[in-house]
Amino acid sequence: QKEVEQNSGPLSVPEGAIASLNCTYSDRGSQSFFWYRQYSGKSPELIMSIYSNGDKEDGRFTAQLNKASQYVSLLIRDSQPSDSATYLCAVNGAAGNKLTFGGGTRVLVKP
Amino acid sequence: SQTIHQWPATLVQPVGSPLSLECTVEGTSNPNLYWYRQAAGRGLQLLFYSVGIGQISSEVPQNLSASRPQDRQFILSSKKLLLSDSGFYLCAWSDLASNQPQHFGDGTRLSIL
Repeated sequence: QKEVEQNSGPLSVPEGAIASLNCTYSDRGSQSFFWYRQYSGKSPELIMSIYSNGDKEDGRFTAQLNKASQYVSLLIRDSQPSDSATYLCAVNGAAGNKLTFGGGTRVLVKP
Repeated sequence: SQTIHQWPATLVQPVGSPLSLECTVEGTSNPNLYWYRQAAGRGLQLLFYSVGIGQISSEVPQNLSASRPQDRQFILSSKKLLLSDSGFYLCAWSDLASNQPQHFGDGTRLSIL
């Protein structure tokens, strides 16, 4: 059973602080990794993709990947109330065509 | 650019009634297509995926079925709905190449009475 694990939260963060979200995965053959943001009642929206070890930055978001530790994280800098949402980690396995999603981490940014 | 359309946005159906949800993708060819269900407060459960016309893979046993009559059309169906079929149904697409992200439609919120 290929698994993707996330802390369900809620992760409460003051406005302007850094939110740090973690995700671990079990399939060592995983090739690609994605973070989605899902607002309540809405569909998931892709915010970050990462394929190789290290950091990838896009605006206020930074994704970090460590394949040896089977760990991927998302940092949200200068958190805003509009960042309050559930963040889903998704991992594409060796087969390449299917994503396995974590249960999501709920983030609350308080003004 | 690519867009994905899913309808209806909300649906209320009685137990035992049939179901048909449709999803279409524009701006790309030969996409991979996916149907997910998300129960309230839960994660995404992959129901079906398709890599081409008429090619459907089922991930979980259930009373739902899927069809892909055209390259960019994906349909989710049921002959008789159960109470447990309630949930948020999401269609997604990805490029045919491996390791590509999936992009979701707006979803259909299905309530069974």
